[in-house]
Amino acid sequence: EAQVTQNPRYLITVTGKKLTVTCSQNMNHEYMSWYRQDPGLGLRQIYYSMNVEVTDKGDVPEGYKVSRKEKRNFPLILESPSPNQTSLYFCASSDSDRLSGANVLTFGAGSRLTVL
Amino acid sequence: GDSVTQMEGPVTLSEEAFLTINCTYTATGYPSLFWYVQYPGEGLQLLLKATKADDKGSNKGFEATYRKETTSFHLEKGSVQVSDSAVYFCASGRRALTFGSGTRLQVQP
Repeated sequence: EAQVTQNPRYLITVTGKKLTVTCSQNMNHEYMSWYRQDPGLGLRQIYYSMNVEVTDKGDVPEGYKVSRKEKRNFPLILESPSPNQTSLYFCASSDSDRLSGANVLTFGAGSRLTVL
Repeated sequence: GDSVTQMEGPVTLSEEAFLTINCTYTATGYPSLFWYVQYPGEGLQLLLKATKADDKGSNKGFEATYRKETTSFHLEKGSVQVSDSAVYFCASGRRALTFGSGTRLQVQP
């Protein structure tokens, strides 16, 4: 089954304790992205990657790191989490629509992170 | 920068009522437009899309038409069901998508 898999789905941690949220896709997509979802703010892009070893900042990259060593994996790293990073995180990957070139995103099920 | 504005929710309707969720966008160039749906506890799923002006996207009884002159992409359904209860997100863009804040729809039996 074509899917984007995120882990963990739920995590409670404390301020300053480094954590990694993994993301893996099995569709051979070149483009991958991380979003955070907060009430009233919709989805905001954190980082994205157009291909292996190519990553770029989105709208809210502060406090996050990513890496893209392999095509299928795109982990999100919080080196020193803070309470304002408490949120619901989504990983997504995409292939371009053949006619328009627009990305059609496939999302993971989400990772709910609480930083105390 | 690009932005997407959706009507605030929640929108509460009775089963078989007509649904409209408004969406307007600002963007440079000619973005593609999307509606994604998020059911409780799940990630977002593509509902429909339109890639150029006057295109109509449709799926599962939902429709939206790309209106360049009004920079809008309003979502409509003629007769909603309880199973349509979800959060709906409008998005615009090509490689990087900009999402609206989401509109929660609650359909009552």
